[in-house]
Amino acid sequence: QQQVKQSPQSLIVQKGGISIINCAYENTAFDYFPWYQQFPGKGPALLIAIRPDVSEKKEGRFTISFNKSAKQFSLHIMDSQPGDSATYFCAASGNYGQNFVFGPGTRLSVLP
Amino acid sequence: EAGVVQSPRYKIIEKKQPVAFWCNPISGHNTLYWYRQNLGQGPELLIRYENEEAVDDSQLPKDRFSAERLKGVDSTLKIQPAELGDSAVYLCASSLTSGAYYNEQFFGPGTRLTVL
Repeated sequence: QQQVKQSPQSLIVQKGGISIINCAYENTAFDYFPWYQQFPGKGPALLIAIRPDVSEKKEGRFTISFNKSAKQFSLHIMDSQPGDSATYFCAASGNYGQNFVFGPGTRLSVLP
Repeated sequence: EAGVVQSPRYKIIEKKQPVAFWCNPISGHNTLYWYRQNLGQGPELLIRYENEEAVDDSQLPKDRFSAERLKGVDSTLKIQPAELGDSAVYLCASSLTSGAYYNEQFFGPGTRLTVL
C-alpha cells in the first residue's frame, strides 16, 4: 500500500515530441504528488507538484494530470528537448511529509 | 545561497568496516532527510529530522545504521559494520518546516558508497 508504481521504465522521444510518464498509488492518505528530475551525479530536483484538489497543473512545458478516482497521475513534457534527458521520479506523501515514497524512475532520452 | 552540502562524494570501503556520511542542510531549513538510492531505483527514506528530533526512523536498519543531528543543523549518518548490500548513493535533503503545507525538499549531490 506504500508503493508508487511508475511506467515506463525507459522512454525514447524525438526532439519536439511529447513525453508521458505514468504513476499509480494505493494509499488514499497520500495528498501530495511531486515529480522530480535527476541528472547523473546529481540529487533529484523538484520539477512540479500537485495536490488532489485539482486535476491538472501546468508549468511551462510540464503538466501533471491527476485522476483521484483511479489513483493515477502522469507527467507530460511538451516539446521535449535533448536537455530534458534525465531520470524522472514520481513521488507521493501524506500528512505533511510523512510516508514520503518515490517511484522507481523513468529514464528519458530525447533524441536531437 | 549554498545548496545542501554532502561529504564525501565517493567512498570505497571493505565490508565490515565503518563509514560515515556528513550533511549540511540549507541555512534555515529545520527538516532534514536521509535517503538511500540503489542503482536504477528511486530514493528510499531512511530517517527524517525536525530540528534535532528524529520524527520518522521507521525505515532505518537500526542494527547497523545510526544517525544524529545534535544541534539541529548538520547531520551524520553512520553504518557499522558495512555490508555488500549497503552499496548505494546516500542522499541528504532539507526543507523548511511548516504545518500547513508541504515545503520543497532540496537534495544534495549524494555520497556514492561502494562496499567491496
